[in-house]
Amino acid sequence: EDQVTQSPEALRLQEGESSSLNCSYTVSGLRGLFWYRQDPGKGPEFLFTLYSAGEEKEKERLKATLTKKESFLHITAPKPEDSATYLCAVQAVKFDSNYQLIWGAGTKLIIKP
Amino acid sequence: NAGVTQTPKFRVLKTGQSMTLLCAQDMNHEYMYWYRQDPGMGLRLIHYSVGEGTTAKGEVPDGYNVSRLKKQNFLLGLESAAPSQTSVYFCASSEEPYEQYFGPGTRLTVT
Repeated sequence: EDQVTQSPEALRLQEGESSSLNCSYTVSGLRGLFWYRQDPGKGPEFLFTLYSAGEEKEKERLKATLTKKESFLHITAPKPEDSATYLCAVQAVKFDSNYQLIWGAGTKLIIKP
Repeated sequence: NAGVTQTPKFRVLKTGQSMTLLCAQDMNHEYMYWYRQDPGMGLRLIHYSVGEGTTAKGEVPDGYNVSRLKKQNFLLGLESAAPSQTSVYFCASSEEPYEQYFGPGTRLTVT
């Protein structure tokens, strides 16, 4: 069964304390892996797409990496405004539902000043 | 550009009542989606559309219907609301079936 698991469920960091969020996945064939940021009371906001193992994408203090089994979202020297829930989603290669994403439950990140 | 908009933002229904949620996008995207988000769970796809006049079932379609009469609009209907449909509903759109852009959500409570 296709599955996406994010860890930890919640992470509290001090401002400037770097860390990583994990997204592990099991799918029959990976079409793409997506990272989103969600602020309280708002819809998810697209961050990155990764397509193949070894690929990396960066945006400000965030860097996403991909292996054959998992993806990491590295946060370098975070600021309080980076506090949010980070969602990971995977698109599997399927014959009958090419448009369906499989979502993880998210990691709630809290950055304390 | 407004992006993806959803109406209403909040709604309280009694069991058995019906309602329609409206999603509109101004990005000329072909693909549109309806999700529900429940605490501790990932987003779950209810229905989606790959173009005007088309709809398809997602992971949790039971109790919901959709229509896409115009390219820019995607409607989600609940014919007879149940407490299990209490959730936050998100609409999303995309140019191709990859990066999706989300609306602000509708918080629905069924009592």
